[in-house]
Amino acid sequence: GAVVSQHPSRVICKSGTSVKIECRSLDFQATTMFWYRQFPKQSLMLMATSNEGSKATYEQGVEKDKFLINHASLTLSTLTVTSAHPEDSSFYICSADRGEANYGYTFGSGTRLTVV
Amino acid sequence: KQEVTQIPAALSVPEGENLVLNCSFTDSAIYNLQWFRQDPGKGLTSLLLIQSSQREQTSGRLNASLDKSSGRSTLYIAASQPGDSATYLCAATKGAQKLVFGQGTRLTINP
Repeated sequence: GAVVSQHPSRVICKSGTSVKIECRSLDFQATTMFWYRQFPKQSLMLMATSNEGSKATYEQGVEKDKFLINHASLTLSTLTVTSAHPEDSSFYICSADRGEANYGYTFGSGTRLTVV
Repeated sequence: KQEVTQIPAALSVPEGENLVLNCSFTDSAIYNLQWFRQDPGKGLTSLLLIQSSQREQTSGRLNASLDKSSGRSTLYIAASQPGDSATYLCAATKGAQKLVFGQGTRLTINP
């Protein structure tokens, strides 16, 4: 159990366009989901915490108007990179908390975004 | 502010060896500590979760320990195999559910 599906796995877009990344918990309800960004050979950087039915909480330095997060249901959170630029190219990963102390966090498979 | 450090940054060992990966954290008031594996270009796979009240967890050839008083966790891998080659990340959780990650240890098992 505890599977998180992230889609798409890879996307290439033109500068100035927007890209939406989906994160779904397939077999559990996730009241909280997290979005991370990972640069090559570096660890994960938390971008924002997404709570179902409320506004996301962004980490310091993360532009909330640039990275729009919507958590419309207990199984789906989306990250939209708006007006993408080449510097937004990165690996984006979501994770979900099923709210059980002995379960920890489950991560999606990641999305490789390339802005050209 | 919680800081998590992993040593070494990279490790290369011959197949069959037992090895230990280290993780240290500055704030001992953690909720739990989780070890993950990441293959190149992939997401994270959870390996072991140790709750703050526990001292170790085992899964197959993997054993993770937690010593909150010293701010340390170790991941022991027995009889290493080439398929174990990956980056191993530890992460600590406190209160507000946020995971704080170490920088990872890039492990290479040579056949």
